[in-house]
Amino acid sequence: GAGVSQTPSNKVTEKGKYVELRCDPISGHTALYWYRQSLGQGPEFLIYFQGTGAADDSGLPNDRFFAVRPEGSVSTLKIQRTERGDSAVYLCASSLDGLYTGELFFGEGSRLTVL
Amino acid sequence: TQLLEQSPQFLSIQEGENLTVYCNSSSVFSSLQWYRQEPGEGPVLLVTVVTGGEVKKLKRLTFQFGDARKDSSLHITAAQPGDTGLYLCAGAGGANNLFFGTGTRLTVIP
Repeated sequence: GAGVSQTPSNKVTEKGKYVELRCDPISGHTALYWYRQSLGQGPEFLIYFQGTGAADDSGLPNDRFFAVRPEGSVSTLKIQRTERGDSAVYLCASSLDGLYTGELFFGEGSRLTVL
Repeated sequence: TQLLEQSPQFLSIQEGENLTVYCNSSSVFSSLQWYRQEPGEGPVLLVTVVTGGEVKKLKRLTFQFGDARKDSSLHITAAQPGDTGLYLCAGAGGANNLFFGTGTRLTVIP
């Protein structure tokens, strides 16, 4: 596809369950970012990949959150033992080379609701 | 985490009015970007500023990067209903990650 694709677009789960959110970046983009956004607020940085490696994972809130990008393309954000406070829109973005002047292209997000 | 505070948080104005949104931080950024986000979509880049004191114009939008590269402003002239949205500033951190501001929700009333 032409843009960043995220699946699922909506996920409703129960407290304590495991969730995976997938991001398919723009082809050829080496940098990939995950953010979390609560209603009416700015996106909160979670993790940034350059290629297959996590260049900065300082935004992951705790060890229940984990993200991988094994082949340097598709990324999966994994949340274990979900809590109600994890409810938010999870945004993925990619950029061509990860330079600080580069444009981030965002997907439409995955809305996670934890009941 | 480098905190970027935006003000005002909410802004509701009449069509044709001018407005300014501010983005402030205690941290120095190598660059600063402005994005606009509409409901149900991801943010879309408006502009990137790199040099302290830099001013960029995009039609009715004027962006300024502070001399010390800690703050920025977005000025909109003669606002239109199509300008409605969530405006976000974002600063580049040391590892080339990007931190977003708290956001300003603008509503332009026809």
